[in-house]
Amino acid sequence: EDKVVQSPLSLVVHEGDTVTLNCSYEVTNFRSLLWYKQEKKAPTFLFMLTSSGIEKKSGRLSSILDKKELFSILNITATQTGDSAVYLCAVEESSGTYKYIFGTGTRLKVLA
Amino acid sequence: EPEVTQTPSHQVTQMGQEVILRCVPISNHLYFYWYRQILGQKVEFLVSFYNNEISEKSEIFDDQFSVERPDGSNFTLKIRSTKLEDSAMYFCASGQGISPLHFGNGTRLTVT
Repeated sequence: EDKVVQSPLSLVVHEGDTVTLNCSYEVTNFRSLLWYKQEKKAPTFLFMLTSSGIEKKSGRLSSILDKKELFSILNITATQTGDSAVYLCAVEESSGTYKYIFGTGTRLKVLA
Repeated sequence: EPEVTQTPSHQVTQMGQEVILRCVPISNHLYFYWYRQILGQKVEFLVSFYNNEISEKSEIFDDQFSVERPDGSNFTLKIRSTKLEDSAMYFCASGQGISPLHFGNGTRLTVT
């Protein structure tokens, strides 16, 4: 059975800290791995990763994929209270219709 | 920036009633999806829709559920004879056949 596992489930840090969120997967027909940020409502897209070892970066956020070890990490440096959210990892599988398999998410709380 | 819009934002219904959740995908997108998220649990794939027919559906998407694209802009999810366990956030998403998917803000369905 395809699965996506995120760790930790929740994390509390102080502003300025650096965090690393983990996502491991076992998906038969892997196409890509995506990170989304979910605050109150819609998951909003952060990164899409398809190739191993190539870091994607956007401001204080960065992410990398290891297709050999089947995991990805999302790093957030110099965290701010606005980073508080649930971070979702999703793996896109391509057996038919490019559906996403989501992990349970990591709930990040950044304290001022 | 174009976005996926969903209505209503919150729907309360009594057990056994039928509900229709509505979505307007991004206009040039061809692939449409429904996902749901039961409170505290992971986002789960329900169904994908392309070329006016269902491409794939999950085990959750049984005969109680149906989807329709009644015109060129709307995409609906109908849940017949709702049950308490149908209470969840339902997300519509659309895409162009390549990632990322764009999600709407969701409809929170509460079945009492």
